[in-house]
Amino acid sequence: DIVMTQSPDSLAVSLGERATINCRSSQSILYSSSNRNALAWYQQKPGQPPKRLIYWASTRASGVPDRFSGSGSGTEFTLTISSLQAEDVAVYYCQQYNNFPWTFGQGTKVEIK
Amino acid sequence: EVPLVESGGGLVQPGGSLRLSCGASGFTFNYYNMIWVRQAPGRGLECLSYISGSGGDTYYADSVKGRFTVTRDNAKNSLYLQMNSLRAEDTAVYYCARSTAGLEVWGQGTTVTVSS
Repeated sequence: DIVMTQSPDSLAVSLGERATINCRSSQSILYSSSNRNALAWYQQKPGQPPKRLIYWASTRASGVPDRFSGSGSGTEFTLTISSLQAEDVAVYYCQQYNNFPWTFGQGTKVEIK
Repeated sequence: EVPLVESGGGLVQPGGSLRLSCGASGFTFNYYNMIWVRQAPGRGLECLSYISGSGGDTYYADSVKGRFTVTRDNAKNSLYLQMNSLRAEDTAVYYCARSTAGLEVWGQGTTVTVSS
């Protein structure tokens, strides 16, 4: 199975400041037929299911604010929240969907400093 | 209208069985591959099973292979997860999700508790 490792496990950021979450895959997750990285980012708030924010490593899902962006390639990926808002407090997960079982990172808890 | 609604969770004894259902609405169900995902209390997310739109292809995580079976009834817009030989470590919230470049749409989840 592909292992997804996120860092840090938690971070506290002041309102309006940038938050950066890293995700590393144990092997390439390049989807050969499209030459894109099969990497998604999710946001989960307490008592709710996860919500997909980003797919194909950098494509923002419909309705997701543009302060959320994804980048990276190969085995290193990043989710950036450019200006943290109070409603962004949540746990964030990366996930590879290139090889089943699709696997998630362990999660990064984002809080307000 | 909620696109995916899970049901069938509950309390079951170790070694017992449970069948989860996921009702789909508002989209053409048979166009989409579907996934079951679970989240143990205070833990992360685990993809358990995949089924193609036609139902012809299925995949399972090693943790449930041989114990869980995913099926679908496209005429009823429904997805199922038959869970046998349940263990305490299967205690979790179980989600069904629609697969499009990852997991595009999620249900609200149903809770399974395995305990004597």
